[in-house]
Amino acid sequence: NAGVTQTPKFQVLKTGQSMTLQCAQDMNHEYMSWYRQDPGMGLRLIHYSVGAGITDQGEVPNGYNVSRSTTEDFPLRLLSAAPSQTSVYFCASSTQGRQPQHFGDGTRLSIL
Amino acid sequence: DQQVKQNSPSLSVQEGRISILNCDYTNSMFDYFLWYKKYPAEGPTFLISISSIKDKNEDGRFTVFLNKSAKHLSLHIVPSQPGDSAVYFCAASLGGSEKLVFGKGTKLTVNP
Repeated sequence: NAGVTQTPKFQVLKTGQSMTLQCAQDMNHEYMSWYRQDPGMGLRLIHYSVGAGITDQGEVPNGYNVSRSTTEDFPLRLLSAAPSQTSVYFCASSTQGRQPQHFGDGTRLSIL
Repeated sequence: DQQVKQNSPSLSVQEGRISILNCDYTNSMFDYFLWYKKYPAEGPTFLISISSIKDKNEDGRFTVFLNKSAKHLSLHIVPSQPGDSAVYFCAASLGGSEKLVFGKGTKLTVNP
């Protein structure tokens, strides 16, 4: 089992560019989420989904879009990258939100 | 407004001794708490959880204690091993919510 797979592992963008961070899980989990981790800030929830076709905002949703067309995939889109979005992004999944989540290994994103 | 607080950014203990990591929360409606461990360049991994109907949960060397009146939980690791050196995150969930709120983390170093 691959678990939660995030691609790419590293990415450098210029301000204003857009990109999609990919997240896929093979555990048939209904709940998926995106977090960002910044130095001294812990993990902050960006968006989450409780099932295909259903998404909702977390603590820091501005500047990000998500969609959930399948159970397996939950991509995160940066519409117009800003230096403040430089961070490490983690995708996670679980059977439901209150159950322990399985995390991917993260995408380290730098925006110049 | 930080709802889950880990006030010690770091902790250093000797191998074989007890490690105690602390977490305070402000919202009395939190009813489910989790601890995650994170190694560098990896995603967080689930360690142990506790529901608010309990005051203690044990799993091998790891025990979590919950003091609802003080809005405080702690993770005890006995005995500590060098492989336990990692960042530990406390997380909490509101009843009826699918969201998790994380603390900023405590970096544990276990010295041989």
